[in-house]
Amino acid sequence: EAGVAQSPRYKIIEKRQSVAFWCNPISGHATLYWYQQILGQGPKLLIQFQNNGVVDDSQLPKDRFSAERLKGVDSTLKIQPAKLEDSAVYLCASSPDRGGGELFFGEGSRLTVL
Amino acid sequence: DQQVKQNSPSLSVQEGRISILNCDYTNSMFDYFLWYKKYPAEGPTFLISISSIKDKNEDGRFTVFLNKSAKHLSLHIVPSQPGDSAVYFCAALKAAGNKLTFGGGTRVLVKP
Repeated sequence: EAGVAQSPRYKIIEKRQSVAFWCNPISGHATLYWYQQILGQGPKLLIQFQNNGVVDDSQLPKDRFSAERLKGVDSTLKIQPAKLEDSAVYLCASSPDRGGGELFFGEGSRLTVL
Repeated sequence: DQQVKQNSPSLSVQEGRISILNCDYTNSMFDYFLWYKKYPAEGPTFLISISSIKDKNEDGRFTVFLNKSAKHLSLHIVPSQPGDSAVYFCAALKAAGNKLTFGGGTRVLVKP
């Protein structure tokens, strides 16, 4: 079974530029999550999708972050314009509908904003 | 508002000894508690979980204990092995919505 795929693995941009991250979840997983992990901290949920609908985006800074999940499969997370404090690893995860909290994470996309 | 806290940022233990990782939470509405393990440059991977109706769950060398009255859980690794060196995250789940809240992590170093 293929795991969660993310790209790019690394991205360096200057502040005020834009960036986009892509995620392809495990086949058949209805729920997709984007987490932000700042160095030395635990992952923080940005947005959760169930199929192609948003379940929770309460911690997504909507003035600069946007995410979509077209056709209920892969997803993109965009930041525009980026700030220095957006430097973090962006983790995508998916889960089957059985609940219980077992999420399957991708390797993450590390963003450095200069 | 940090609902899940891991107060020890790091832990060093000798190979073969016990590693004990602690986690505290504030929200009594959590239904499940989970531990995730993370190696550098990789995403977190699920390790073990416990339902809020239980007080202990064991899987091989890993045991999780839950004390609901104290809102505290711990992960025991016995015996610790060098391959266990990683960052461990405690996480809590409200079943409705399947949303995980993570603690800040504890870095474990197992010395040979």
